[in-house]
Parts: sequence; C-alpha cells; structure tokens
Amino acid sequence: QKEVEQNSGPLSVPEGAIASLNCTYSDRGSQSFFWYRQYSGKSPELIMSIYSNGDKEDGRFTAQLNKASQYVSLLIRDSQPSDSATYLCAVNDYGGSQGNLIFGKGTKLSVKP
Amino acid sequence: NAGVMQNPRHLVRRRGQEARLRCSPMKGHSHVYWYRQLPEEGLKFMVYLQKENIIDESGMPKERFSAEFPKEGPSILRIQQVVRGDSAAYFCASSPFPGQTNYGYTFGSGTRLTVV
Repeated sequence: QKEVEQNSGPLSVPEGAIASLNCTYSDRGSQSFFWYRQYSGKSPELIMSIYSNGDKEDGRFTAQLNKASQYVSLLIRDSQPSDSATYLCAVNDYGGSQGNLIFGKGTKLSVKP
Repeated sequence: NAGVMQNPRHLVRRRGQEARLRCSPMKGHSHVYWYRQLPEEGLKFMVYLQKENIIDESGMPKERFSAEFPKEGPSILRIQQVVRGDSAAYFCASSPFPGQTNYGYTFGSGTRLTVV
C-alpha cells in the first residue's frame, strides 16, 4: 500500500514566523511531488511542485525534497493569517495509473495575528 | 478560459436515491480524473477517464459507483442507492494529455454530496 504521511496538526505559528510542514512517502519510485493548499470548504489549490533533490523557491514558499530519505517539506516564510489552511502533500503513483496522485491527509496550519 | 467546472456545487440526496455529479473539463482537455475527499481525510483517487474510455478505475468502489466521459458532454460520476458513507466532497481535474501527474492537477470547485 503506497502511502503519504503528514502530521495532522494543527500547527500554530505566530504571524511573521516560518511555518514548516513535513511529508514522508513510501514509494521509492515516486518522481513528482506537490503541495496543495486547501481552505475550508474549498477545492485544493496547487502551490508548489518539485521533482529534483534540493530546494525550490517561489515567493514566500520553499519546497525541499530528499529522495534518499523519502521526505518532502514546505517552508512558508513570513507567515500571514491568510496562510491558515490545510496543506496537502501529494506524490505521483509511479508504476500505477497515470491518473493517480497519492495524497496525505493534510496538515492544518493556523497563523495567529 | 474557464477552468474545470463541476456541478452541482452542493447535492443532497436521501438514502437509496441516485446521485449524478458532472464535470466539464477545461477546453481542449480530453482526460478527466475524479477524486473523493471524505471528512477529515485526504483526497483519494477514484477513476481516470479519457473520452469514451475508462483508463483506470482502481479507486472506484466495486458496487453502486460508475463513471463515464462521453464523446460529447461532461464526465458523469454516478452513485446509485446512496448511503450516508457516500457523503463527501467529490473533485475532478482534467488534462490535455496523459501523465498529468507529472505536472500536478488543477481541480474543479467540487461537489459536496450530503446523504440524509
């Protein structure tokens, strides 16, 4: 059973701090990794993708990938109350259907003003 | 350029009724993916369809659930004889080519099904 694991949280950080979200995955063959943000009652929104080991930065967001450790993380710098949401980690199902992304259950982030 | 459109946004059905969820892909997209999100759960893959073909239905429950993507019109996810456990948010995404998992998905706004 291929799995993606995330701490459910809630993770609470003060405004302006760095929020660190972590994810581990079981399928060593996975090649594509994604972070989605989901506000309550809304659909998931793709915010970051990463394919190679190392860091990828986009504005206040940095995704980090370590394939040897099967570990993906998302850092949010200068956290804002508007970042309060559930963050879903997803990986492609290597060797499975081309249509299948495997999602974690998500980490709920709360940014306190 | 409209995104992935889903309707209805909210659907209430009594136990035993049928639910039909519609997904219109982005213009020019011929691949559709359905996911289900149960309360407090992550998204789970259900089915991947191409026009007139089911490519992978490994995530679909074996009974009561079916999906289609006709040559014309939206993709339909059909749930027969709904039960309370079917209450969830159902999301679809689309792509112009297969292997979209390499690039991530853009989801529609979803249909929230409530079975009473």
